[in-house]
This record gives sequence, structure tokens and C-alpha cells, in this order.
Amino acid sequence: KAGVTQTPRYLIKTRGQQVTLSCSPISGHRSVSWYQQTPGQGLQFLFEYFSETQRNKGNFPGRFSGRQFSNSRSEMNVSTLELGDSALYLCASSPEGRNTIYFGEGSWLTVV
Amino acid sequence: ELKVEQNPLFLSMQEGKNYTIYCNYSTTSDRLYWYRQDPGKSLESLFVLLSNGAVKQEGRLMASLDTKARLSTLHITAAVHDLSATYFCAVDEYPGNTGKLIFGQGTTLQVKP
Repeated sequence: KAGVTQTPRYLIKTRGQQVTLSCSPISGHRSVSWYQQTPGQGLQFLFEYFSETQRNKGNFPGRFSGRQFSNSRSEMNVSTLELGDSALYLCASSPEGRNTIYFGEGSWLTVV
Repeated sequence: ELKVEQNPLFLSMQEGKNYTIYCNYSTTSDRLYWYRQDPGKSLESLFVLLSNGAVKQEGRLMASLDTKARLSTLHITAAVHDLSATYFCAVDEYPGNTGKLIFGQGTTLQVKP
């Protein structure tokens, strides 16, 4: 069974640009959530989608947005990138009931 | 607001020794997760604890949950170098199914030969 797949794995962007990250959940999982990991702030929740609906959103500015498609694949977008957006962005998927939550390998974003 | 605190944050131990990592959380939750992260890697699921008194074991790791004390422990028995990693506990925001996990700061475990 394939795991959670995130693309791209590594990317470098310039301040002011925007970026889109993609996540394909495990087959059959309808819940997809996104987290940001930095050395200073640790792991922080960005948002969660279930059946194309955003169910919960973390405390991040509006520059961070996401969506989920009918096949459960999800994207997150960060506009007007800032240096502080440099982080590992992790996507997680879970089945209904959330008995286990599986994380992808992550997308390493560096903003220069 | 739900807060999750782990201690210690850093643990250096000799192979063959036992130790415990503690995870405290501040408000009611109905499930707790433990993850392992190796440097530069993603999070690997270790345990999911769903009820008070739950205990799960895998190899040299054993996790338990006391929902009344809002405390989970991850016990390491006879540590080996391969267990060197950062361990995170995470708690589901309550009531559950909000999709939001609150993570502890992580405990970096270094096992010396």
C-alpha cells in the first residue's frame, strides 16, 4: 500500500514569490492535514480537510491556504513568501476515526 | 487552549539502560499519539493510545496513557543505538475529529555505545 506522497521534496524560493505543495494521501483516506515544522516553533498545525471541506485551521496568516480535491489529494499554497516560511511542511492522512495518522516525507522549503 | 509538554527535551543514555519520556497535556483529549523522527526525515507512527489505562508495546518501547492525570509515558527498555532519534507525543484536540494534533516539543534521545 503506497504511503502519503508529497511533492516537491525540496525547493528554494525567493521572498515575495508563492509556492504550491502537493499531497496524495493513502488510498481510501479522506482526511488530509498539513503541519509546519521549524526548529524554533516545532510542529504546528496548518489546516485539515475532509471530503473537500476545511474542517479546522491553525493560527497562520491568510497567506497560507489549502484545498482538497474530489480524489482526496490536497494542495497548500503560500503566497508572498517570507524568510520565516522556511520550514519542513508535512502532510498527513488518516482514515475516518483517526486510529492512525500517517505522515508523508515532507517538503523542504527554503526562502532566500 | 490545549498545551502538550514533554520532558526531558534531551536525553543522553548508555546502551542497555532504561529510561522514560513523559508527556503531559493540559486539557481533556481522547487520544494520544507517539511518533519518531530521524534527522532530516518525516514522522514515523509508533503508537496510538485511545483510552485510559491503554498500554502498547513494540520491541524495546512501551507507551501508556493515564487520561485522569493527563499523562502519557514512553518507556525505553535496554536502549540500543538504533533508538537514537527525536520522539514526539501529540494529542488530538478535544472533542476529537477536528483533525488537529497538538505536538509536544520533542525529546531528542541519544544512545551511546
